[in-house]
This record gives sequence, C-alpha cells and structure tokens, in this order.
Amino acid sequence: SAVISQKPSRDICQRGTSLTIQCQVDSQVTMMFWYRQQPGQSLTLIATANQGSEATYESGFVIDKFPISRPNLTFSTLTVSNMSPEDSSIYLCSAGRWQGDTIYFGEGSWLTVV
Amino acid sequence: AQKITQTQPGMFVQEKEAVTLDCTYDTSDQSYGLFWYKQPSSGEMIFLIYQGSYDEQNATEGRYSLNFQKARKSANLVISASQLGDSAMYFCAMREGRAGGTSYGKLTFGQGTILTVHP
Repeated sequence: SAVISQKPSRDICQRGTSLTIQCQVDSQVTMMFWYRQQPGQSLTLIATANQGSEATYESGFVIDKFPISRPNLTFSTLTVSNMSPEDSSIYLCSAGRWQGDTIYFGEGSWLTVV
Repeated sequence: AQKITQTQPGMFVQEKEAVTLDCTYDTSDQSYGLFWYKQPSSGEMIFLIYQGSYDEQNATEGRYSLNFQKARKSANLVISASQLGDSAMYFCAMREGRAGGTSYGKLTFGQGTILTVHP
C-alpha cells in the first residue's frame, strides 16, 4: 500500500491570493492525479501530474488557474491561483501504480476562500 | 451520459445488519476496474475494495464484498454486520483502459451514497 500525505490539511484564504498544496507519497508510484470536491458534490478530476513535464488537464481546468508540478515520482504540488469563493473545495491527491489494483488518496486539503 | 450511477442518495441501516449500496456503470472498454471508497466527515477517501473486469470471483475485503454482475453492469457494495463507524459517504468509481494508456488510473466517480448506521 501507499501512504499519501497532503498539506495543508485546511486553510482559509483571502480572495485573489494563491495557495500551493503539496502531496508526498511514501513509495514510488507511476500515476499521480489531482481532484476537486466542491461542497456536497462528488470528485472531479483536475489533471494528471506527469513527472518532469507539463500536467495533462481535464476539460474545464487550465494551467493558469491550477499549475501543477511533479519533479519526481513521489512528490507533486497543485497551486490554486487567484482564488475566489467558488474555489472553496476539498482538493485531493491520488496515486497508484501500473501494476497495482489500488488507487490511494491523500487526506485532502480543505480550502475556504473568503 | 453518466458513467457511474449511484441511485441511493441516502441509506439507513440498523447496527449489526447488512446493507447493499448500489452502483451501475457504463463503459465500452473491455478492461476496466471498479472501486469503492468511504469518505467520513473528515474528508479523507478510504479505499475499501476493488474489482477488475476480468475477475471471475466477487471481491471481498473483511466485512466488505462487491456483488459484481458484469452483464448488468452493476457493482454493488455489500457491508455485513454494520457498525456505527460505517456511517459515512460511499463512492463508487471506475477506471477505464489498460495499464500504460493515457487514461489509465483516472477515476470517474458516482454521486455517492450517505450511509447512516443506527444503534
């Protein structure tokens, strides 16, 4: 199994600011992803974090708003830029391996934008 | 069209009884995987159980079992001997494609079912 640590776990942010969320996996994984869960909603995939190259974004998500880095196999960051109250959500990192049957999630980062 | 459908917004069960949470899916892929996650109020996503499309046996993990009916495209979660700590949101999710493909590992989630266990 893989243990995934995310930080911050919670934050209250001012409108117009940016926040970077970190995701650290305790073992090497092939795949890393970032999801958003808006209040009362299900999870929506933001992007696939690719090691050493630009992330692959899903429809409706753009790099300028959600820049993502993955400098190595076990670490990734997601930045939520120029935040507005609509960005208030739980942001979750997930990771898995090609050979594995399990995809794990971090504890989530609760962001509230005021 | 919805790829993952969970038709039960909320379910109630008495402690120590079994409960089934429904999940139907839609895919044209032959290779896919189905997952169930538990999300307590803390927000973390806890992996419960996995079923591969080629697995002939239904998956089981402790008190959790997955009733996989491929022809009906359903993957219902069965929780036996419910406990108060099982009260949470439960999500069904699907992974499509083969390992190495560009979409492998991406999960599509259903809308979730809130389970409440009564003492």
